[in-house]
Amino acid sequence: AQRVTQPEKLLSVFKGAPVELKCNYSYSGSPELFWYVQYSRQRLQLLLRHISRESIKGFTADLNKGETSFHLKKPFAQEEDSAMYYCALSDRGSGGGADGLTFGKGTHLIIQP
Amino acid sequence: DVKVTQSSRYLVKRTGEKVFLECVQDMDHENMFWYRQDPGLGLRLIYFSYDVKMKEKGDIPEGYSVSREKKERFSLILESASTNQTSMYLCASRRRGEYEQYFGPGTRLTVT
Repeated sequence: AQRVTQPEKLLSVFKGAPVELKCNYSYSGSPELFWYVQYSRQRLQLLLRHISRESIKGFTADLNKGETSFHLKKPFAQEEDSAMYYCALSDRGSGGGADGLTFGKGTHLIIQP
Repeated sequence: DVKVTQSSRYLVKRTGEKVFLECVQDMDHENMFWYRQDPGLGLRLIYFSYDVKMKEKGDIPEGYSVSREKKERFSLILESASTNQTSMYLCASRRRGEYEQYFGPGTRLTVT
């Protein structure tokens, strides 16, 4: 069974400090990994996915198949980064089919001024 | 922009009532999903649908059913609401063959 683990429920860092949100997964097939973000009073939205290898709002995430990890990183945190972050997995082998995402439990990131 | 709307932001129901949560998307997406979001548990998939009148169970379907009579609308039904179904319910949609899911604003359901 596929599983996504986010070990930190809460992460608090100071503005300007580096941020790393951890995500580990277990899946035997070919997964697609995502980070979703939910700002206060806003809907959940996609932040980035591993296959696009892009940087969004200064965040990057690299898929490490050996360590089965997909950690989210940003070199200099900003106050507007404060939000709930969810790592999610989809079965890429299904060809982008209808299957839902498997989410981690989320990490609440707080950026202190 | 994709728009996913949910019929209510807040809902309060009594134990044993039948509850309908409605979700509508305006981008002609084939796939639609219902999740519940609970603190410390993240999002868990209840049901999904890949076409009109088609539905599949997710990870926690017990106590729920769904209906998809039209492509744009996906309804979540609680046949007999219970207090442990108090939660935030999120609807999402996705175009077939793509990976990004678009979420609605959520319905916070309280069952007393």
